[in-house]
Amino acid sequence: SQQGEEDPQALSIQEGENATMNCSYKTSINNLQWYRQNSGRGLVHLILIRSNEREKHSGRLRVTLDTSKKSSSLLITASRAADTASYFCAAVYNFNKFYFGSGTKLNVKP
Amino acid sequence: GAGVSQTPSNKVTEKGKYVELRCDPISGHTALYWYRQSLGQGPEFLIYFQGTGAADDSGLPNDRFFAVRPEGSVSTLKIQRTERGDSAVYLCASSLSPVAKNIQYFGAGTRLSVL
Repeated sequence: SQQGEEDPQALSIQEGENATMNCSYKTSINNLQWYRQNSGRGLVHLILIRSNEREKHSGRLRVTLDTSKKSSSLLITASRAADTASYFCAAVYNFNKFYFGSGTKLNVKP
Repeated sequence: GAGVSQTPSNKVTEKGKYVELRCDPISGHTALYWYRQSLGQGPEFLIYFQGTGAADDSGLPNDRFFAVRPEGSVSTLKIQRTERGDSAVYLCASSLSPVAKNIQYFGAGTRLSVL
């Protein structure tokens, strides 16, 4: 399987703390993307990092990519209760093949 | 519409029946994807359309599953002789281009329950 694998499966933190999620994949990618999914809803794109990039920021989000280890991490700083959701990484191959991980379920307690 | 629309939002059917799930992508998006998501899992790729043609259908689990996109816009996922194992949320996503900045925009999904 070329799916991304994520850890932890579940993460529970207090509001204001940082949340870190990790993703690993198996073969060379074009880019890696992170999506968020609220319960019963579709996925929403958060951030994309290309294979030649090492770090990217967007607001409270920071993504890193280590192609030598075939891994990525998503950091959410100063978390809020509204960040509670499931987060998925998607490893993108051939520019059109998306392989999603099994997700990290984040619970931010107010 | 403003986003990807999927209908119905819920579908309950009996084992052995035929179902159709519809996806209306964002206007102008040439790429359309179907995924299946089981509880606690990430979306699993089924099929990808570029325009009217299925560019990659390698994720369809067997020949009971079929999808069309006759005019390059709306797509229908068709499942014949449904089985209980087909129960899942079926997600549709569209993107402006499969290459340039290929961000996917997802619908809310159709929850299929096969009794």
